[in-house]
Amino acid sequence: DAGVIQSPRHEVTEMGQEVTLRCKPISGHNSLFWYRQTMMRGLELLIYFNNNVPIDDSGMPEDRFSAKMPNASFSTLKIQPSEPRDSAVYFCASRLPQLNTEAFFGQGTRLTVV
Amino acid sequence: AQSVAQPEDQVNVAEGNPLTVKCTYSVSGNPYLFWYVQYPNRGLQFLLKYITGDNLVKGSYGFEAEFNKSQTSFHLKKPSALVSDSALYFCAVRPQGYNKLIFGAGTRLAVHP
Repeated sequence: DAGVIQSPRHEVTEMGQEVTLRCKPISGHNSLFWYRQTMMRGLELLIYFNNNVPIDDSGMPEDRFSAKMPNASFSTLKIQPSEPRDSAVYFCASRLPQLNTEAFFGQGTRLTVV
Repeated sequence: AQSVAQPEDQVNVAEGNPLTVKCTYSVSGNPYLFWYVQYPNRGLQFLLKYITGDNLVKGSYGFEAEFNKSQTSFHLKKPSALVSDSALYFCAVRPQGYNKLIFGAGTRLAVHP
């Protein structure tokens, strides 16, 4: 398996533009997580899905952020409109159903909003 | 509140010396415990986990970790550090019955020749 695949790896956009980050989890993994990593806040869980259903979105910073998982092999995190403070590395991770299993992380998307 | 503490922002070790990266947690019940490593410009990679059983668990790249229930700790160790071990290390806890991982702030390990 190729692991968790995220695209793009890097994204530079202007303030106010819409940004869409993409994630393909590992086949067979039914839990999917979106994290944000910054120097100031470290790793923050934004939202997670179980069997394509959003379970906890309490970490989503504001209404400008939205996430979808239309099927078991694809998820998106959208920021509209983007702001400079959204600049961070965004990670997607997936995991098997069993709670004692580890999550596998993608390589991340480095977002820069200018 | 449930939390994970990594008390050291950075750990400096000479190559060949043993290393320890500390982690303590505060969660209810018996959690599952994990260590991840992050190299520059990469995602987090799983190193090892404690679920149940033997308190000493062995993982990738020669790392091991010791679970201490009374001290609520899960310190990461390696008998002989390599320069290539230099990276950012994260401790994480999953409380029983929870789907979410709670991450510590991370500890930067610097191994110098």
